[in-house]
Amino acid sequence: DTEVTQTPKHLVMGMTNKKSLKCEQHMGHRAMYWYKQKAKKPPELMFVYSYEKLSINESVPSRFSPECPNSSLLNLHLHALQPEDSALYLCASSQAGQGAVFSGKLFFGSGTQLSVL
Amino acid sequence: AQKITQTQPGMFVQEKEAVTLDCTYDTSDQSYGLFWYKQPSSGEMIFLIYQGSYDEQNATEGRYSLNFQKARKSANLVISASQLGDSAMYFCAMRERGGGFKTIFGAGTRLFVKA
Repeated sequence: DTEVTQTPKHLVMGMTNKKSLKCEQHMGHRAMYWYKQKAKKPPELMFVYSYEKLSINESVPSRFSPECPNSSLLNLHLHALQPEDSALYLCASSQAGQGAVFSGKLFFGSGTQLSVL
Repeated sequence: AQKITQTQPGMFVQEKEAVTLDCTYDTSDQSYGLFWYKQPSSGEMIFLIYQGSYDEQNATEGRYSLNFQKARKSANLVISASQLGDSAMYFCAMRERGGGFKTIFGAGTRLFVKA
């Protein structure tokens, strides 16, 4: 199984809503990532979890709250978002051993297209 | 400072011909990896090929090859025998040993394959 599964595929939410994005992988990867991608731009790293611990937060606003309940799951909790947060949110995973720091290829999910009204 | 540079916003290639997508990078780390990812209009990012900084041979994966010129800090992707399904966005990316699992992406090149 080489899949990263993201749900939902599409999400429309108001600025006062609370919602969550979910990501699941069963490849035994111990590094998991959230990326944000605006149209025609490269993905921007938001968070990295390594061995279920948050290892990188790229100064993301607190209205985005990540969670890694176990080695297979990654959530992104959304609250009080702004219209400029509308984007494609991509989850990815990779191996997390020492050599994988610079050699680990990313396996991506198909993303959640988020629209904030 | 821009660490990954892709200077071709868009490229056209005739079906069945080869095409080269350019990528230059900047790092002071001795240990790093270079990657190419493909993103079709469906949105999913697909890994294509990897080259490690210590690898002496250019990487190849089927129709994809990576022209690695370490001294020039370039890692160009060559796609042979282009197919209509190759039309997509292509991102060059890098991970550094000192980067702590960060993958840095270039701006991307949109490839159009003509029938």
